[in-house]
Amino acid sequence: GNSVTQMEGPVTLSEEAFLTINCTYTATGYPSLFWYVQYPGEGLQLLLKATKADDKGSNKGFEATYRKETTSFHLEKGSVQVSDSAVYFCALSDSDMRFGAGTRLTVKP
Amino acid sequence: GAGVSQSPRYKVAKRGQDVALRCDPISGHVSLFWYQQALGQGPEFLTYFQNEAQLDKSGLPSDRFFAERPEGSVSTLKIQRTQQEDSAVYLCASSLGTTGAGYGYTFGSGTRLTVV
Repeated sequence: GNSVTQMEGPVTLSEEAFLTINCTYTATGYPSLFWYVQYPGEGLQLLLKATKADDKGSNKGFEATYRKETTSFHLEKGSVQVSDSAVYFCALSDSDMRFGAGTRLTVKP
Repeated sequence: GAGVSQSPRYKVAKRGQDVALRCDPISGHVSLFWYQQALGQGPEFLTYFQNEAQLDKSGLPSDRFFAERPEGSVSTLKIQRTQQEDSAVYLCASSLGTTGAGYGYTFGSGTRLTVV
């Protein structure tokens, strides 16, 4: 069945550092891929998405490229801020949506 | 409303008690999903509705769990004879698309259920 594996956390970075959170997937079809973010005490929010191979999703300085050859959708940001501290979930959607276990990011001033 | 609304926000139940969790999706959203999120884990799929039809309930962990969406809008997730392992955050999401693929989901803030 479809599944998502993402980088285990927690990840701790200093402000302005470069961020990468790895995500790989297993799917029988051609799913859409997503990154969701969960800030403390809040629900999940859609951060970005890509619906086909080689698409790049981007939002708020975050980017991820749908790589079919490596079955990956790694999340990147060039310069993180304290306000980016949250839990990040990679997900894939075919007939329903499957989530990774989440990666907690803490950014220190 | 503008978002997905869930109530109650917090629920404490004694073991063996029945509970009902409510979800008001975004108006016009065809698809509605329920997820269970244990502490420190990602959301796990429970069930999916397309309008009033429950098309997939493969994620419901036992026959104590029951969901309905009788008029294709508001949905209720009912848990009978609650057990401690049912303690989790229950998330509801809705989507404009019929299967959710490609559209992304809008999530509610969740109901945190604690069974004591």
